[in-house]
Amino acid sequence: AQKITQTQPGMFVQEKEAVTLDCTYDTSDPSYGLFWYKQPSSGEMIFLIYQGSYDQQNATEGRYSLNFQKARKSANLVISASQLGDSAMYFCAMRDFTDKLIFGTGTRLQVFP
Amino acid sequence: DTEVTQTPKHLVMGMTNKKSLKCEQHMGHRAMYWYKQKAKKPPELMFVYSYEKLSINESVPSRFSPECPNSSLLNLHLHALQPEDSALYLCASSKGTEAFFGQGTRLTVV
Repeated sequence: AQKITQTQPGMFVQEKEAVTLDCTYDTSDPSYGLFWYKQPSSGEMIFLIYQGSYDQQNATEGRYSLNFQKARKSANLVISASQLGDSAMYFCAMRDFTDKLIFGTGTRLQVFP
Repeated sequence: DTEVTQTPKHLVMGMTNKKSLKCEQHMGHRAMYWYKQKAKKPPELMFVYSYEKLSINESVPSRFSPECPNSSLLNLHLHALQPEDSALYLCASSKGTEAFFGQGTRLTVV
């Protein structure tokens, strides 16, 4: 069965510093996609970045990059130059070939001045 | 257009009421989803529609009834809900490298 694990319930980072949020996954399917989302206290789920299982290069979107290590089944999110507005809940998610999209338990990131 | 639109944004209903949540997307996404999210928890998958057919039902109680009238619309019909069903209900759609969510409906069952 598929599983997504986020082992960091909470993380603190100082403004302008980089932070890495961990995500490991478990699947026996060769084809899958990995997503990261940001959920502020308002509740909306904001898409940040996507990595496909066959992608050779790590995905990047602005200040967000994904450190994809397929053999280790990890897909860590790196946020560079943190901003106060980055404080939110962050979820890692995986979609399989059946379109099933499941989430990890999330990491609450707090950025301080 | 990367928007998934959900209505209503807020809903209060009694345990004997019947109501519906609506979701719409015009991105040509083949898969549409309903999730339930309780406070401080991750979204919990309820249903998946793929090409307008129900493909995944995560053992959701029958008081929740999904419907996909066409490739752009997804409904969630609610009947005889319990107070523990109060939550944020999120709709999503997905295709390829994209998976976008609506802003959610905050449901309170009284």
